[in-house]
Amino acid sequence: GDSVTQMEGPVTLSEEAFLTINCTYTATGYPSLFWYVQYPGEGLQLLLKATKADDKGSNKGFEATYRKETTSFHLEKGSVQVSDSAVYFCALSFSGTYKYIFGTGTRLKVLA
Amino acid sequence: KAGVTQTPRYLIKTRGQQVTLSCSPISGHRSVSWYQQTPGQGLQFLFEYFSETQRNKGNFPGRFSGRQFSNSRSEMNVSTLELGDSALYLCASSLADSHTGELFFGEGSRLTVL
Repeated sequence: GDSVTQMEGPVTLSEEAFLTINCTYTATGYPSLFWYVQYPGEGLQLLLKATKADDKGSNKGFEATYRKETTSFHLEKGSVQVSDSAVYFCALSFSGTYKYIFGTGTRLKVLA
Repeated sequence: KAGVTQTPRYLIKTRGQQVTLSCSPISGHRSVSWYQQTPGQGLQFLFEYFSETQRNKGNFPGRFSGRQFSNSRSEMNVSTLELGDSALYLCASSLADSHTGELFFGEGSRLTVL
């Protein structure tokens, strides 16, 4: 079945370090891809999305590119801040299914 | 603009009991989805409703049920609770009737089954 695999956490970085969180998916078609973020004590919120191959989603300094060839949607940020500490979820969705398939989440901790 | 509101935020039940969770979507949103979040499994899709109709259901036993009212508010019910039902139950609403639409999540209802 369709699934999303994320790198295991937690990921601990120093402030201003480069961030990569890997996400790969298995799907029988071409889904839309998403990154959601969950800050401590808050609900999930959309960080960025891409709806077709080679699209790049970006927001708040984060970027991810929809790579059909490698079925990946890795999240990157050039310089993380303490305020980026959160749990990041990769997800996919297909037209007409009305559901999202989420990865297990990757916890990021940024130290000052 | 008010966000997605879930009640209650915390509850403790014992095995065999039942529980009802409520979700009020953002005004104007007609799609409401429910997810179960656990540390090991991440978010698992329970069901989605649009205009009082269930359009999709996840792989959960029949003890899990839901409904949506004409004002788009939704409830989910879990009967005959088991220890493994302990989780954070998240409700999400959406404006767009599309797989590319953004989901807006509530803060969740944390259920503990003893």
